[in-house]
Amino acid sequence: RKEVEQDPGPFNVPEGATVAFNCTYSNSASQSFFWYRQDCRKEPKLLMSVYSSGNEDGRFTAQLNRASQYISLLIRDSKLSDSATYLCVVDRQGATNKLIFGTGTLLAVQP
Amino acid sequence: GAGVSQSPSNKVTEKGKDVELRCDPISGHTALYWYRQSLGQGLEFLIYFQGNSAPDKSGLPSDRFSAERTGGSVSTLTIQRTQQEDSAVYLCATGLAITDTQYFGPGTRLTVL
Repeated sequence: RKEVEQDPGPFNVPEGATVAFNCTYSNSASQSFFWYRQDCRKEPKLLMSVYSSGNEDGRFTAQLNRASQYISLLIRDSKLSDSATYLCVVDRQGATNKLIFGTGTLLAVQP
Repeated sequence: GAGVSQSPSNKVTEKGKDVELRCDPISGHTALYWYRQSLGQGLEFLIYFQGNSAPDKSGLPSDRFSAERTGGSVSTLTIQRTQQEDSAVYLCATGLAITDTQYFGPGTRLTVL
């Protein structure tokens, strides 16, 4: 089982739609969770951190479910500019701590 | 404010040559990661540095790859005797701690002919 797993997509949605991505992680001791966004041929950029209580930033909502070991990202009222790859990031806790990136979920918002 | 910078932005080299890629972190960031990303693929972890601790080199694909970080600041990734399969974008990311938010540089696009 991969440490961080994401559905690669693509998710093709019309403008204005609500879309949600899940990401599962294998290490129950993980403490830090993030969503990054990567545009085509660009570097990844932090979209938002994910807190235990869940957090919202405008049209974006992130949630953490420790019991089932997944995090989610909800995008409301999708814009064309939301088209990108969304990367789930989880820390590995153990002998060597580091951040583990998922392979990403591709979102294509259609006009 | 100054972000993570990488140089060169593009590098074209011939098979068998050595290349050196540079990463300048955000001031004060003690954690520094190197990743590789081939076209259409996910990030491949190569190595990280955290303060004065021994680096985690577990992702380096072969002994042709090495990296150093002098004075806890600038880092260089060296690839010896480059091969065509080394062609990729090499990304550097830095942060306040190894499991804290990582900020990426724009990457170096390496093409080995």
